[in-house]
Amino acid sequence: AQSVSQHNHHVILSEAASLELGCNYSYGGTVNLFWYVQYPGQHLQLLLKYFSGDPLVKGIKGFEAEFIKSKFSFNLRKPSVQWSDTAEYFCAVNAWASKIIFGSGTRLSIRP
Amino acid sequence: GAVVSQHPSRVICKSGTSVKIECRSLDFQATTMFWYRQFPKQSLMLMATSNEGSKATYEQGVEKDKFLINHASLTLSTLTVTSAHPEDSSFYICSAREDRDFYEQYFGPGTRLTVT
Repeated sequence: AQSVSQHNHHVILSEAASLELGCNYSYGGTVNLFWYVQYPGQHLQLLLKYFSGDPLVKGIKGFEAEFIKSKFSFNLRKPSVQWSDTAEYFCAVNAWASKIIFGSGTRLSIRP
Repeated sequence: GAVVSQHPSRVICKSGTSVKIECRSLDFQATTMFWYRQFPKQSLMLMATSNEGSKATYEQGVEKDKFLINHASLTLSTLTVTSAHPEDSSFYICSAREDRDFYEQYFGPGTRLTVT
C-alpha cells in the first residue's frame, strides 16, 4: 500500500530564510508526486507535480521539488520564503490511475 | 484550468438530520470523483472513490450506510451524511479526475459541516 511521510509537523522560519520540507513515500512502482498548499481559510491548491522526466520540478510562487527515486523522496524547497507563504503544505502520491494519498501535512509559520 | 465546485460551502444541521453535499466539475467530465474528510489541523483522509454509474468504493473504516455517495452524471457527485451526529462535524472536500487525464485531480473548495 502507498503511504506518505512528512516528518516536519511545524516549521517556523524568518522571512528570507530558505525552506526545505521533507517528504518520503513508500511504493515500489511508478508514482506521481504532488505538493499542495492550503492557506489559512482557503482550499487546497496544487503547488507542483512530478509525473516523469526532469526530477527537478518547478512550481508556482517560486517553489520547487526534487524527486530522488533512490531515496523515495520528493522534498519541497524555496530559496527565500515570504510571510505570505504561511500555510499548511501537503505532500501526496498516487500510483497508476489510483487514489491520491496525502501526508500528514507540515505547518509553515513565517515570522515577519 | 479545471474547476471543481462544492455546495454548500458551510452547513449547520441538527443532530439526527441528513445533509447533502454536492460536488461538480464545471468544465470537464469526471467519471471518477473522490471524497475526503479533513479534521482541524489534520491531513485529508480519503473516504471513498465515486464512480459515475456504479457504486462507490469506500475506504476501510468508513460507514457506507452513513455516508451515501451518488455519482449520477459525469459532472456531479453527491455525499449525503445521514443521521448526522456532532462527531461528523468536519471539513468535507471533493476532488475530480478529468477523464482525459488519469493522473491529476482537481479539488473543490470544501464544505464545512457543523452538527449541533
